[in-house]
Amino acid sequence: ETVMTQSPATLSVSPGEKATLSCRASQSVATNLAWYQQKPGQAPRLLIYDASTRATGIPARFSGSGSGTEFTLTISSLQSEDFAVYSCQQYNNWPQTFGQGTKVEI
Amino acid sequence: EVRLVESGGGLVQPGGSLRLSCVASGFTFSNYAMAWVRRAPGMGLEWVSGISFGGGSTHDADSVKGRFTISRDNSNNTLFLQMDSLRAEDTAVYYCAKLPIPYTVASYFDYWGQGILVTVSS
Repeated sequence: ETVMTQSPATLSVSPGEKATLSCRASQSVATNLAWYQQKPGQAPRLLIYDASTRATGIPARFSGSGSGTEFTLTISSLQSEDFAVYSCQQYNNWPQTFGQGTKVEI
Repeated sequence: EVRLVESGGGLVQPGGSLRLSCVASGFTFSNYAMAWVRRAPGMGLEWVSGISFGGGSTHDADSVKGRFTISRDNSNNTLFLQMDSLRAEDTAVYYCAKLPIPYTVASYFDYWGQGILVTVSS
């Protein structure tokens, strides 16, 4: 199966700063990649699909890029509500697989 | 507003069984594939099982094949996961998730429930 590796495991950022999260696939997933945000006790929320398309209602400060095996999620100016765990998921190869997550903390 | 509400979790002994349910609202349930995804303590998310819009096609992860059965009742907008022969490594929060398509091909998940905890321990 396709192994997804996220880095860093934890990212410490101040409000208003830019955050850059990475996701690497063990084999090509084309642009079939999604990003999710999850806060403690809450449902995961779809942020980005097809590597760079924002889901419905997602603010423009969230952007995704990449193709093949290297992907990036960028949060341009962190707001207080953005501190959470972010996971990437590939859906190009069966079965769909997720990364371990990056925790974005203050 | 799309809502997915899981129930049926709890503490069970190794070798025991549990049945999870997920009641859906806010969309036409019978038009979309559904799935169960879990997160074990300290681990990443793991896809568990998927089912097509009509229930005629199902797929399971190798880790649960032969032990878990996914099903759905479109007349009551409900998704199920029958979990048998439970093991300690099945301990996780289980999420019900909606796919944006009718079939269980590899896909992202556009809506998720809040999850339900399953603990397998003696």
